[in-house]
Amino acid sequence: EAGVAQSPRYKIIEKRQSVAFWCNPISGHATLYWYQQILGQGPKLLIQFQNNGVVDDSQLPKDRFSAERLKGVDSTLKIQPAKLEDSAVYLCASSLEPFTSYNEQFFGPGTRLTVL
Amino acid sequence: KQEVTQIPAALSVPEGENLVLNCSFTDSAIYNLQWFRQDPGKGLTSLLLIQSSQREQTSGRLNASLDKSSGRSTLYIAASQPGDSATYLCAVRLNGGATNKLIFGTGTLLAVQP
Repeated sequence: EAGVAQSPRYKIIEKRQSVAFWCNPISGHATLYWYQQILGQGPKLLIQFQNNGVVDDSQLPKDRFSAERLKGVDSTLKIQPAKLEDSAVYLCASSLEPFTSYNEQFFGPGTRLTVL
Repeated sequence: KQEVTQIPAALSVPEGENLVLNCSFTDSAIYNLQWFRQDPGKGLTSLLLIQSSQREQTSGRLNASLDKSSGRSTLYIAASQPGDSATYLCAVRLNGGATNKLIFGTGTLLAVQP
């Protein structure tokens, strides 16, 4: 079974530029998550989608971050404009659906963003 | 607000040694707890998931325990190998509803010396 795919793997941009990350979840997984992992910290949930609807975006900085999941499959996370503190690894994860007691999240390899 | 702490932040052991990684959380009202492994440049791999009603889970050389009342979990690794070198993260799920939010600790960086 193919895992969660993410691209690009690495991105270097200057502050105030825009950047977009792409995620393709495991086939059949209804739930998709974007996490931000700053160096030395654990991942922090930015947004959770159930199919193409948003379940939780309470920690998404909405003034500069946006995300969409068209057709309930692939997802894109955008930052516009980027700040130095956005330098982090952006992880995408997917799971079957959240209502089961055993609901494992499968993670992609992440996109490492460096903002100069 | 739920906070998850992992101690130690880094650990170096010789090959073959048994070791314990610790995870503590401030709010005992959790749904489940997971242990993950993260290799450099790679995503997270789930190792073990313990439901709130369970006390422990085992997979191969790994054993994870959960004590909700004290807000603690441990990951025991038996007969460590150099291939076990990675960052280990614990995460708690807050509830069983639509929001499957995981709160992660900061991780323990493990180095197993050959």
